Amino acid sequence: EIVMTQSPVTLSVSPGERATLSCRASQSISINLAWYQQKPGQPPRLLIYEASTRATGIPARFSGSGSGTEFTLTISSLQSEDFAVYYCQQYNNWPPEVTFGQGTRLEIK
Amino acid sequence: DVQLVESGGGLVRPGGSLRLSCAVYGFTFSSNSMTWVRQAPGKGLQWVATINQDGSEKYFVDSVRGRFTISRDNAKNSLYLQMSSLRAEDTAVYYCARQPYAMDYYFDYWGHGTLVTVSS
Repeated sequence: EIVMTQSPVTLSVSPGERATLSCRASQSISINLAWYQQKPGQPPRLLIYEASTRATGIPARFSGSGSGTEFTLTISSLQSEDFAVYYCQQYNNWPPEVTFGQGTRLEIK
Repeated sequence: DVQLVESGGGLVRPGGSLRLSCAVYGFTFSSNSMTWVRQAPGKGLQWVATINQDGSEKYFVDSVRGRFTISRDNAKNSLYLQMSSLRAEDTAVYYCARQPYAMDYYFDYWGHGTLVTVSS
């Protein structure tokens, strides 16, 4: 099983500042990585796939980078609606075995 | 608009069974692989099972293989998860989710989930 490790567990950032979230895979997953945002009581929302491609309707302040085992989600200028939990997910294996990171909680500083 | 609507959750005793349904709207259901993902209370996300477009391929996480069955009815635009021999650790919100492309296992649309509680 590919283990996904996110850091930090909690990130405190002020509105308007930049947030950088990290995700590490236990083995190389090429660019087969997605990022999701989840707010309380809501399902996850796809933000990024293929490590760096924004999903439909996602603002340009969200960007993804990385390949292999190291990945980053950057939110360039935090808005109030961006405070949430963020998950990374790998989809490299075949037969399919997808695994998620444990999440990073982005909170208002 | 694309919508996924889960139903069938509830309280069940350990060892019991439950069948979840996911009704989909707004896209050609038969064109997409579909997946169930669960989230235990206060915890992260866990992939549970995936079924391909025509139902001929099914995949499960190890912890549910042999206990859960995934199926679909393309004529009814519906996805199902039959759960049996339920355990306390199966307690979670169960989401159905759409894969945009058959070979890419990420999920672009999600339902709002249905809560399954396994308790005596």
